Amino acid sequence: AQTVTQSQPEMSVQEAETVTLSCTYDTSESNYYLFWYKQPPSRQMILVIRQEAYKQQNATENRFSVNFQKAAKSFSLKISDSQLGDTAMYFCAFMKLYNNNDMRFGAGTRLTVKP
Amino acid sequence: NAGVMQNPRHLVRRRGQEARLRCSPMKGHSHVYWYRQLPEEGLKFMVYLQKENIIDESGMPKERFSAEFPKEGPSILRIQQVVRGDSAAYFCASSPAGQGAVTEAFFGQGTRLTVV
Repeated sequence: AQTVTQSQPEMSVQEAETVTLSCTYDTSESNYYLFWYKQPPSRQMILVIRQEAYKQQNATENRFSVNFQKAAKSFSLKISDSQLGDTAMYFCAFMKLYNNNDMRFGAGTRLTVKP
Repeated sequence: NAGVMQNPRHLVRRRGQEARLRCSPMKGHSHVYWYRQLPEEGLKFMVYLQKENIIDESGMPKERFSAEFPKEGPSILRIQQVVRGDSAAYFCASSPAGQGAVTEAFFGQGTRLTVV
């Protein structure tokens, strides 16, 4: 079974600074996808970034980037130039490539951006 | 194109009553997933449905819980004889394709069920 672990229940960062959220996962699969989702107080789940396991290049979306270490099964999210609107719960998720789309989530990290 | 619509947003039920949660997927999406989020926890997969078919219900409790996605109309998650432990946020997600295709799921805003 796949498991996703986020070891930081809460984090805070000053506005305009950089913060990194950690995620590790356990799987025997070789092809899979990893995601970071953001859940603001509105509770809607918003996709932040996606990484395909067979791609070595780390995914980047504007101020968001990942450090994907396949051998170490690590998938951290870096947020640069943090903004107040980045305050939210962040969930790391794993999805097998060729199977039902059973997406497994970590427990989340609550990020607070301070002015 | 409206997003994934869930209703109601908030639902209060007394112990022993039935709870019905509705999810209308995005237009053109034929795959629906239900997740449960307990307080301070991540989302836990419950069930994956396509139109008129349950593909994977391995995350759903064997008793009291059921889900359907009829040919017409929204997907329904039904919880019979609710207990306090059912209190949680229930999220629905949809995608336009399933096995073998990578599409990130689009989530609804969730239904917060409170059992009193």
